[in-house]
Amino acid sequence: GQQVMQIPQYQHVQEGEDFTTYCNSSTTLSNIQWYKQRPGGHPVFLIQLVKSGEVKKQKRLTFQFGEAKKNSSLHITATQTTDVGTYFCAGRGVQGAQKLVFGQGTRLTINP
Amino acid sequence: DVKVTQSSRYLVKRTGEKVFLECVQDMDHENMFWYRQDPGLGLRLIYFSYDVKMKEKGDIPEGYSVSREKKERFSLILESASTNQTSMYLCASSFPIGTALSGYTFGSGTRLTVV
Repeated sequence: GQQVMQIPQYQHVQEGEDFTTYCNSSTTLSNIQWYKQRPGGHPVFLIQLVKSGEVKKQKRLTFQFGEAKKNSSLHITATQTTDVGTYFCAGRGVQGAQKLVFGQGTRLTINP
Repeated sequence: DVKVTQSSRYLVKRTGEKVFLECVQDMDHENMFWYRQDPGLGLRLIYFSYDVKMKEKGDIPEGYSVSREKKERFSLILESASTNQTSMYLCASSFPIGTALSGYTFGSGTRLTVV
């Protein structure tokens, strides 16, 4: 079945450094979504990407969807302590499928 | 504010008990999902439903069943709880995948401990 791999599993940075997490699918995706889960919290939807090569920005966060629609990335510029948490990507594969397949997440910790 | 509400934040049950986890959403979402989250294993889909009385197995349905009698309510049932079902259970809902508003809204989770 469809698999979504996310790397790295853990990332520790100094506050102010940049951070990137990568998501790779075994199959072509119809769309990809990104979620953030704060420690002790539940995942919260951040964004959805649909088009090949799409790039979207939310303040210091930049989301990209690959040209082949099989990979995606989330880049955070100049991390802040509020960015701490686990970031998940989730992709929809087969056309018409009503479920997303989640990556295992990247846990970001930050040294202030 | 839109909400997905799970009936209990923490739950302790004994091995062999029948356990009901309730989830209610107020967003008129068609889709509802049950996940369990364990350290190092990410979010694993147990069951989902895309319409009232409809259900589909996810990746790890064994030992679980679900019920969706009304659009807003999706229940997860552990027929006979076992210690390996100790976990964080997350309910989510969404509009149909592929629509512009198809992001999942998650509940706060139920941490279930089976002793």
